[in-house]
Amino acid sequence: NAGVTQTPKFQVLKTGQSMTLQCAQDMNHEYMSWYRQDPGMGLRLIHYSVGAGITDQGEVPNGYNVSRSTTEDFPLRLLSAAPSQTSVYFCASSSRQGHNQPQHFGDGTRLSIL
Amino acid sequence: DAKTTQPPSMDCAEGRAANLPCNHSTISGNEYVYWYRQIHSQGPQYIIHGLKNNETNEMASLIITEDRKSSTLILPHATLRDTAVYYCIVRASDRGSTLGRLYFGRGTQLTVWP
Repeated sequence: NAGVTQTPKFQVLKTGQSMTLQCAQDMNHEYMSWYRQDPGMGLRLIHYSVGAGITDQGEVPNGYNVSRSTTEDFPLRLLSAAPSQTSVYFCASSSRQGHNQPQHFGDGTRLSIL
Repeated sequence: DAKTTQPPSMDCAEGRAANLPCNHSTISGNEYVYWYRQIHSQGPQYIIHGLKNNETNEMASLIITEDRKSSTLILPHATLRDTAVYYCIVRASDRGSTLGRLYFGRGTQLTVWP
């Protein structure tokens, strides 16, 4: 069972470089989200999507873009990486079938910006 | 979504029950209580959720007070593998485009010792 797959697992960038973090799910989930986690802190929501073609901002959207052209994929783009974006990034998905379906998380992408 | 308050850390002996408290005094009538945990370096894992009745699954039990202002997650026989950060989250059940969002606090670091 693949679930939520994030690639790459690790990445080092230089300041100003661009990068796309990939997230794919094979559960036909409508809802997908991106979170970042910094040391000693909980997860903070960056962007989320309730279905293909629909995205919205979370708590900390600045510096990140997303798109949702298919149900399966929800890439996160850093257009000009900054050291403040060094973090661990998690993608999650959930179904809208029935109320309150739990979110399934990927294993994360560890990103360092030099 | 209602704010939650959890103790930053707790200890538990292996084989004993771990009782993790959560206060959510501003919870609304349509908000569910969710519990997730995050084992070091992994993505968060769903544990259980409930509205007002106590819930039990293969991982844990959730006890919600009658006034719904607090809850307790119970791991009946804690093992070393249960060492993790546990997050208590409250979320509205049907808020249209916000349905896919979860707001994480800092959680409780549970350490199970042999």
